[in-house]
Amino acid sequence: AQSVTQLGSHVSVSEGALVLLRCNYSSSVPPYLFWYVQYPNQGLQLLLKYTTGATLVKGINGFEAEFKKSETSFHLTKPSAHMSDAAEYFCAVSDPGGYNKLIFGAGTRLAVHP
Amino acid sequence: DTGVSQDPRHKITKRGQNVTFRCDPISEHNRLYWYRQTLGQGPEFLTYFQNEAQLEKSRLLSDRFSAERPKGSFSTLEIQRTEQGDSAMYLCASSLAGQGRLYEQYFGPGTRLTVT
Repeated sequence: AQSVTQLGSHVSVSEGALVLLRCNYSSSVPPYLFWYVQYPNQGLQLLLKYTTGATLVKGINGFEAEFKKSETSFHLTKPSAHMSDAAEYFCAVSDPGGYNKLIFGAGTRLAVHP
Repeated sequence: DTGVSQDPRHKITKRGQNVTFRCDPISEHNRLYWYRQTLGQGPEFLTYFQNEAQLEKSRLLSDRFSAERPKGSFSTLEIQRTEQGDSAMYLCASSLAGQGRLYEQYFGPGTRLTVT
């Protein structure tokens, strides 16, 4: 069975500092990996995805993530945090051979302070 | 592309009542998913439709829950005899299977259910 672990339910950074949100996955098959962002009382917005090919993927709003098979990780980074980045971030995995249902981690709430 | 819409956005109901939620996917999308999200947790998969066929149901979907997608367009999720444990955000997502858009699911704003 697939699963996702997000280390750190809350992360706090200063504006302009590096953002690092950690995600480890478990999958018996090569997975598809996703990062979604959720603002209060809203649905989820796709930040970026990894399916095949280049392991460093770039997404919207300056975020990027690197798929590391040997570490079963897909950490999300952004070089310089902005106040508007404050939100809940979810890592998800799907089984490309199935119906692509998403298995989500518990989420990491990012706070950005001045 | 108007995005995925859900109605209502908020629903407060008393325990034991039935509720129905509607999801309108992006028009050309043939796949539709329902998820449930409780406070402090990530969304959990409930069920999946390919066109009008319901192809997978989670064990979370008890017999009080039923979902339909007539004609492969909009979908409804009904909860009968609601319980306080049903209080959650119900999210709908759609995607286009096959070539092109690579398995991305687009989410609606959700319906927040509160059972009193």
